[in-house]
Amino acid sequence: DAGVIQSPRHEVTEMGQEVTLRCKPISGHDYLFWYRQTMMRGLELLIYFNNNVPIDDSGMPEDRFSAKMPNASFSTLKIQPSEPRDSAVYFCASSPAGANTEAFFGQGTRLTVV
Amino acid sequence: AQTVTQSQPEMSVQEAETVTLSCTYDTSENNYYLFWYKQPPSRQMILVIRQEAYKQQNATENRFSVNFQKAAKSFSLKISDSQLGDTAMYFCAFMKKGVGNTPLVFGKGTRLSVIA
Repeated sequence: DAGVIQSPRHEVTEMGQEVTLRCKPISGHDYLFWYRQTMMRGLELLIYFNNNVPIDDSGMPEDRFSAKMPNASFSTLKIQPSEPRDSAVYFCASSPAGANTEAFFGQGTRLTVV
Repeated sequence: AQTVTQSQPEMSVQEAETVTLSCTYDTSENNYYLFWYKQPPSRQMILVIRQEAYKQQNATENRFSVNFQKAAKSFSLKISDSQLGDTAMYFCAFMKKGVGNTPLVFGKGTRLSVIA
């Protein structure tokens, strides 16, 4: 398996623009997590899904952030409008159900908002 | 809520030597898992080792081992025979054991430099 695939790897955008980050989880994994990594706050959970249904979105910082999982093989994290303080590395991770296993991470998207 | 604390922002070790990274956590849960992840400059998060709280025996994976002290809520990582490729950020993480999978809660990380 190719692992968790995120795109793009790097994104530079201007303040106010819409940004969409994409994630393809490992096939057969029922859980998908979105994390954000910054120097100040470390790795924080934004939202996670089970069988495409959002379970906990309490980590989503503001209404400018939204996440969807239209099917088992694809998820998006959208920021609209983007702000410089959204600059961070965004990770997607997936895990199989039933075994309380660790999450498998993608390589992250480094977002820079100028 | 659970919290994970890594009190050493940076550490360094000579190649072939042994180094120990500290991690403490706070939880009211009795059943949980603890992990150490490695993040090299490539940014990829790589699982190093995993410990189940109900197991008293400390987990080991080749040169990596943990010292799990449940009562003290401590979970340190020992790297033996350090190699240049061990240079990375190391994150300690907690996962509550539930009916389904639950998210990881991470510490702020320790940046480890292995010096030749």
